[in-house]
Amino acid sequence: RKEVEQDPGPFNVPEGATVAFNCTYSNSASQSFFWYRQDCRKEPKLLMSVYSSGNEDGRFTAQLNRASQYISLLIRDSKLSDSATYLCVVNSRGSTLGRLYFGRGTQLTVWP
Amino acid sequence: GAVVSQHPSRVICKSGTSVKIECRSLDFQATTMFWYRQFPKQSLMLMATSNEGSKATYEQGVEKDKFLINHASLTLSTLTVTSAHPEDSSFYICSARDRARVDEQYFGPGTRLTVT
Repeated sequence: RKEVEQDPGPFNVPEGATVAFNCTYSNSASQSFFWYRQDCRKEPKLLMSVYSSGNEDGRFTAQLNRASQYISLLIRDSKLSDSATYLCVVNSRGSTLGRLYFGRGTQLTVWP
Repeated sequence: GAVVSQHPSRVICKSGTSVKIECRSLDFQATTMFWYRQFPKQSLMLMATSNEGSKATYEQGVEKDKFLINHASLTLSTLTVTSAHPEDSSFYICSARDRARVDEQYFGPGTRLTVT
């Protein structure tokens, strides 16, 4: 079983729409959770960390359910510039401190 | 924010040659750097973890004699793809962890390797 599972999409939504991405992780000992954004042929860039209490950054809301080992990202009022691949990332502190596990990514296209 | 550079950004080489990729942390010290590989429409796959002054730790299935990693200083790690073959063509990305902020990793811009 993969460490991090994501629905690859693609999601195609109009500007202004609300879209939600989901992710599950397999290691219950995982300690840190992130959403990264990756544009085509570019490196991943940190979008936001995910905290147990849930957190919001502008139009982006991330939630974590440790009991279900489930992470979500909600994007409100989608913009054309939100088009990218969104990577669910988990940091499991095992033998290699700081090792990140990446999901396959969910592709989002926002159309005008 | 912290900056990580990679060089070269793109390289095309012939089969059988070796290619060296550099990863530098520009404004922080990185005791640990990670090397990833990403094939088209796939996720990033960790190849190895590089610790300054010690041998790299390779992930299962990654040949250490083919992918040579050197982390000689707190700001530089290199990945050398030896005797490259077309199947090694991929996007190679490094990340560096700031020794002062261990939960954060900063990614380099990646190196696109094409082996002909």
